[in-house]
Amino acid sequence: EVQLVQSGAEVKKPGESLKISCKASGYIFTSYWIGWVRQMPGKGLEWMGIIYPGDSDTRYRPSFQGQVTISADKSISTAYLQWNSLRASDTAIYYCARQSLYCSGGSCQDDAFDIWGQGTMVSVSS
Amino acid sequence: DIHMTQSPSSLSASVGDRVTITCRASQGISNFLAWYQQKPGKVPKLLINAASTLQSGVPSRFSGSGSGTDFTLTISSLQPGDVATYYCQKYNSAPLTFGQGTKVEIK
Repeated sequence: EVQLVQSGAEVKKPGESLKISCKASGYIFTSYWIGWVRQMPGKGLEWMGIIYPGDSDTRYRPSFQGQVTISADKSISTAYLQWNSLRASDTAIYYCARQSLYCSGGSCQDDAFDIWGQGTMVSVSS
Repeated sequence: DIHMTQSPSSLSASVGDRVTITCRASQGISNFLAWYQQKPGKVPKLLINAASTLQSGVPSRFSGSGSGTDFTLTISSLQPGDVATYYCQKYNSAPLTFGQGTKVEIK
């Protein structure tokens, strides 16, 4: 079964660091982009960034560049989202999601997010 | 960056009604458009990719159309289980921006 399993809920204080994880199974981890999506309380989905575990190519939404770090360890099929100094405004649910591939006629192109993790709730409060 | 605008932001309709949600891209994205359904307290679920391709297991009352800048998600006969927030997303290139969402409720 193809799945993404995220690490558990976190409660942190402002200024603390945090690294949450997203473990993939059931498919070739290095062949698909993995994205991170933020959902603040009562709000919509925000695409944060994406990583290709095969070569660690990473893209960020400009508003998240420098605020978080996306990484991956292909030896354990796990992607990460990391903060060096949390703020109260980082309180949200964070989802990882796999960007699927559409292949036809011997070529493939990136597609939509077909597999989602269960989400990690991050609460930041003094 | 390409901006994605959904309308309406919310709607209330009766069971059996036809419901239409629109999504507009600020620049052309061909058919690189997905629709997701997020039920309250749940993980988003992919309904449609390539603007009109229904995912396996998704009821046929859901359909998508459009290309370029204007896209539509239609629920042909609204059911109580369709109460959710629906999001469009462009995925042709980063950033893979979501629309702001459309909350669908039963009247």
